[in-house]
Amino acid sequence: DIVMTQGALPNPVPSGESASITCQSSKSLLYSDGKTYLNWYLQRPGQSPQLLIYWMSTRASGVSDRFSGSGSGTDFTLKISRVEAEDVGVYYCQQFLEFPLTFGSGTKLEIK
Amino acid sequence: EVQLVESGGGLVQPGRSLKLSCAASGFTFSDYAMAWVRQAPKKGLEWVATIIYDGSSTYYRDSVKGRFTISRDNAKSTLYLQMDSLRSEDTATYYCAITGYALDYWGQGVMVTVSS
Repeated sequence: DIVMTQGALPNPVPSGESASITCQSSKSLLYSDGKTYLNWYLQRPGQSPQLLIYWMSTRASGVSDRFSGSGSGTDFTLKISRVEAEDVGVYYCQQFLEFPLTFGSGTKLEIK
Repeated sequence: EVQLVESGGGLVQPGRSLKLSCAASGFTFSDYAMAWVRQAPKKGLEWVATIIYDGSSTYYRDSVKGRFTISRDNAKSTLYLQMDSLRSEDTATYYCAITGYALDYWGQGVMVTVSS
């Protein structure tokens, strides 16, 4: 199984500052079609998860451009610019390359 | 508007069965693969199973293989998860999710508690 390892944030993050969440996969997520099958989700308190980023760097419909994804085949970063109160929650990375689909353990974002 | 509404959860004894349903609306259900993902209390997300658009292929995590069955009824726009031989470690909130580019949209979840 592909293991996804997420980094922690130096919480709380001051409102208006940027925050970067790292994620590492145990296997390259770059597929032969040129796409990197790494997704990011946000689970706000008491809510179900929502998709933020797919194919490592493509924002899902309706997602603020304050969210951006980047990386290589095995090392990934989700950057949140100008953090706001509504960004609070747990962020998960997930590999979509092969079954079983696997998630990182989650990174909690708190705002000051 | 896309809607996924899970139902069928509850308290069940170890070794018993439960069947979850996910009623879909607001999109062409038969065009999409669907998945179940669970989240144990205070824990992270864990993929459970996926079924492709026409139901001809299914995929499971090892810990539920042989005990859980994912299925769908495209005429009713409904996804199912039959859970047999339930264990305490299956206690979780179960979410259904549309599988497009990723797990594109999730339902609100349904709680399953396995306890005597």
